Amino acid sequence: SQQGEEDPQALSIQEGENATMNCSYKTSINNLQWYRQNSGRGLVHLILIRSNEREKHSGRLRVTLDTSKKSSSLLITASRAADTASYFCATASSGSARQLTFGSGTQLTVLP
Amino acid sequence: EPEVTQTPSHQVTQMGQEVILRCVPISNHLYFYWYRQILGQKVEFLVSFYNNEISEKSEIFDDQFSVERPDGSNFTLKIRSTKLEDSAMYFCASSVRRNSRDEQYFGPGTRLTVT
Repeated sequence: SQQGEEDPQALSIQEGENATMNCSYKTSINNLQWYRQNSGRGLVHLILIRSNEREKHSGRLRVTLDTSKKSSSLLITASRAADTASYFCATASSGSARQLTFGSGTQLTVLP
Repeated sequence: EPEVTQTPSHQVTQMGQEVILRCVPISNHLYFYWYRQILGQKVEFLVSFYNNEISEKSEIFDDQFSVERPDGSNFTLKIRSTKLEDSAMYFCASSVRRNSRDEQYFGPGTRLTVT
């Protein structure tokens, strides 16, 4: 897979359920960032996790990072219909922390 | 809360014409970026800019592209002679990159349509 690939590509859940999205990458990273994009709109920054961190929380979001497996997960707890969007991971490599490499994204649909 | 803003929201131009996309980064940010997203594809890095010069650029950012910070607030991307394949959403982003603040904040994008 390419740098910053998410799975699943699409996820459909009921409101109130938890949603887990995964991201895998290939090169060494400085940090990994998760973004949300509503259809045809801009990218909203959700959370950043550094390579020396294993877990981070922000509100209903929980991000984990396993550098040995080169993978990260984003958990959204108690999902809401408003969480419906595409979610992307983006990696900043160790050699170039200024350049983000984005994955293809997970399309999350939360059904009311 | 401070935001990155971009104008115009939608630009339609004919092939071969020059376009300038404008961005106002968050005021205390030091690094500025342009990315693009062709419809249905991944977001791709174009260029980063710091201290009035390009710090990194991708293979996409060829001689047809240039960036400028003409004053203390605006950051522009110019495409000299547009091609059909330049049609995409162009995102500006900025980051502080000081005190370990590496988060990149994106603007709402400019949709460029080349006909």
